Amino acid sequence: AQSVTQLDSHVSVSEGTPVLLRCNYSSSYSPSLFWYVQHPNKGLQLLLKYTSAATLVKGINGFEAEFKKSETSFHLTKPSAHMSDAAEYFCVRAPRASKIIFGSGTRLSIRP
Amino acid sequence: DTGVSQNPRHKITKRGQNVTFRCDPISEHNRLYWYRQTLGQGPEFLTYFQNEAQLEKSRLLSDRFSAERPKGSFSTLEIQRTEQGDSAMYLCASSLETSGSLETQYFGPGTRLLVL
Repeated sequence: AQSVTQLDSHVSVSEGTPVLLRCNYSSSYSPSLFWYVQHPNKGLQLLLKYTSAATLVKGINGFEAEFKKSETSFHLTKPSAHMSDAAEYFCVRAPRASKIIFGSGTRLSIRP
Repeated sequence: DTGVSQNPRHKITKRGQNVTFRCDPISEHNRLYWYRQTLGQGPEFLTYFQNEAQLEKSRLLSDRFSAERPKGSFSTLEIQRTEQGDSAMYLCASSLETSGSLETQYFGPGTRLLVL
């Protein structure tokens, strides 16, 4: 089955420290992968997407993700967390338009 | 604001009533998607349109659910004879499909439905 797994339901970091949100996918071929962020009472916003052009993908707000085929992972990172980063983050794969698969989400909390 | 808009933002209804939600996509986008999101879960795909044609429906979309996009612009999602299990956030997204590229979906703020 084609799926995406977010390994942590909740991650808490201190402001100014690195962020790591983990995502693994299962697929028999190279997938198209995304990270979306959902702030309370706001719509889902695209952070970045992987389309096989480069394994290290840079997104908005200082986030980036690295596609590692050998590990079937697409982890999201940020060098220094900001209070405004507190939100729900979703790893998404999309082999085609009608097969958008969201992970279960990781809630990121930032401690002052 | 030229993003995706959804109305209403909140809806409370009694079990057995019908409800209709509206989604206005970004104007030049030819694809429109509906998702359902329950608490603590990621969004689940329901259906999508390419212009006015409904191309795919998820098995999650029971016979009580119907979606339309009559002129290839806005879309409506109707739920008939609502059940308490229909309580969820209903999300709409739109994208511009171009040949050979993976398009980005832009999401609306959602309609939160509570069935009493």
